[in-house]
Amino acid sequence: KNEVEQSPQNLTAQEGEFITINCSYSVGISALHWLQQHPGGGIVSLFMLSSGKKKHGRLIATINIQEKHSSLHITASHPRDSAVYICAALRFYDKVIFGPGTSLSVIP
Amino acid sequence: DVKVTQSSRYLVKRTGEKVFLECVQDMDHENMFWYRQDPGLGLRLIYFSYDVKMKEKGDIPEGYSVSREKKERFSLILESASTNQTSMYLCASSSRSIKQYFGPGTRLTVT
Repeated sequence: KNEVEQSPQNLTAQEGEFITINCSYSVGISALHWLQQHPGGGIVSLFMLSSGKKKHGRLIATINIQEKHSSLHITASHPRDSAVYICAALRFYDKVIFGPGTSLSVIP
Repeated sequence: DVKVTQSSRYLVKRTGEKVFLECVQDMDHENMFWYRQDPGLGLRLIYFSYDVKMKEKGDIPEGYSVSREKKERFSLILESASTNQTSMYLCASSSRSIKQYFGPGTRLTVT
């Protein structure tokens, strides 16, 4: 069993749909990091959070420390949101464990 | 803005060649990391460094070595490239306990 899991693995949505990507982890963490990787490889940091909720534009990330679960939501999805979304558990002493990624495709 | 740069976006090498991948960050970060990313396997840590001249093995260090002679530069070395090292290589840096910033990646093909 992986220490960081994501669901779904692949997701196809129609433009405008509300999207949720889930991340669950089984280890103690200092924070959780959501990353976005577009085709071509570049990785962009979206959020880092250790409690509660953060919002940036149409993106919202939440974390429940007790349940060891985080979600990334995209409101009013757009084709430019198509990417791989990766959650990463930041463990103490700087060790990071990456989830396998969720591949999102938003169709016009 | 933090900037992490990698020496090449695309690289093609022959089996047995020595390969150098360079990573430079401009934010005086203590920590630097090298990952490889393969379909279905996600990001896997090869080596990381907490400070100049310090290095620690990650999850898959076999076939690789690293060098950190200056704080801003972290090099990944493939002593004798093999076809199973064809992959996307990503460098990242961070200050202690703060989020990691990634470079654009180097897609290496070993033929």
